[in-house]
Amino acid sequence: DGGITQSPKYLFRKEGQNVTLSCEQNLNHDAMYWYRQDPGQGLRLIYYSQIVNDFQKGDIAEGYSVSREKKESFPLTVTSAQKNPTAFYLCATEGAGARETQYFGPGTRLLVL
Amino acid sequence: RKEVEQDPGPFNVPEGATVAFNCTYSNSASQSFFWYRQDCRKEPKLLMSVYSSGNEDGRFTAQLNRASQYISLLIRDSKLSDSATYLCVVNRGSTLGRLYFGRGTQLTVWP
Repeated sequence: DGGITQSPKYLFRKEGQNVTLSCEQNLNHDAMYWYRQDPGQGLRLIYYSQIVNDFQKGDIAEGYSVSREKKESFPLTVTSAQKNPTAFYLCATEGAGARETQYFGPGTRLLVL
Repeated sequence: RKEVEQDPGPFNVPEGATVAFNCTYSNSASQSFFWYRQDCRKEPKLLMSVYSSGNEDGRFTAQLNRASQYISLLIRDSKLSDSATYLCVVNRGSTLGRLYFGRGTQLTVWP
């Protein structure tokens, strides 16, 4: 079954803790993206990667880190430096082509205890 | 100025109604345009791309006006299942480029 998987569906973070959100895809797409969505807000780009071993900061990268060691995987770490991490985190992929659009995983809801 | 701005909504319409959503974008260099649908607590899903000549997919019609930097989505014969938030999305057009998302317009179709 092809697609994008994100885990876990819900994640609880304690103060001072780093947590990692998983994103895996088997669509053979080169580009992968992490977005954050807050209630009543549009999606905001955290990080993106267009190729393995390379990634770029998006609009709100502070307090987050990523890696892209494999084409299929683009994990996001929410560090303790992110002071307001409660949000819905969405991973997306995009294939090559000027008109190619992005496809989203089911998302991870992060809550702070 | 935000990259993409949408009607704030919410829109509450009866079944069978026709409803239109509008969206403006700020970058005249933008080349690709989309409407996504997002159900409550779910991920956004592509509803349709928007082409220069306008395009239709069943009950949905999308229009683009490049001169006014304006995009619209028309839904005819609304169904209960159309209830969702509709996101206007603009791509900068570069290969593997970035998407800019509007905040979305919430639609509720009531019986």
